[in-house]
Amino acid sequence: EPEVTQTPSHQVTQMGQEVILRCVPISNHLYFYWYRQILGQKVEFLVSFYNNEISEKSEIFDDQFSVERPDGSNFTLKIRSTKLEDSAMYFCASRDILSNQPQHFGDGTRLSIL
Amino acid sequence: AQSVAQPEDQVNVAEGNPLTVKCTYSVSGNPYLFWYVQYPNRGLQFLLKYITGDNLVKGSYGFEAEFNKSQTSFHLKKPSALVSDSALYFCAVRDNRGSTLGRLYFGRGTQLTVWP
Repeated sequence: EPEVTQTPSHQVTQMGQEVILRCVPISNHLYFYWYRQILGQKVEFLVSFYNNEISEKSEIFDDQFSVERPDGSNFTLKIRSTKLEDSAMYFCASRDILSNQPQHFGDGTRLSIL
Repeated sequence: AQSVAQPEDQVNVAEGNPLTVKCTYSVSGNPYLFWYVQYPNRGLQFLLKYITGDNLVKGSYGFEAEFNKSQTSFHLKKPSALVSDSALYFCAVRDNRGSTLGRLYFGRGTQLTVWP
């Protein structure tokens, strides 16, 4: 069964540094998402993306965050200047264009900011 | 506003016994409801969904869920629990307003432990 793949599985970064999290969505999916889960808290929506544009973003997704689909397969989340509170598990998800289909999630990237 | 509540942080059951993991929701419009399971160091794995139709939906690994509109609930059930079912379970509701991409709102998760 096709999967969403995320790299790296664990990223350790100094505060203030830029970080890029990478995702390869399921190949025939057209809708892409990023979520995050701070330890012990709910899974929270960050952003959705379709046709090379952000469709919706949450209040968490401020100017320090950006997303990009640089080629036909990758979908990236960039944090420009990381803060301690950005430490979390970041999940990428993708979905088929049919409205009744679920989102499929990757295994996540654990981001640790020192 | 869309929201999901999972009132139990933990559910413990003996292997072979039925299990229920509770979920209630609040949405504007018709709800699209989902259950996901998370094993240690893994992502969220889709279990089942309710979009429309029969209130009892069946999913992976013998799980099922019952949609109850009057009680705004979508409880996850399994007739006979296995030790391998032990994991973290998340209920989610999809926002179908405006954007067709439908962000998910998650509950806090319920840790299910099945003991032998």
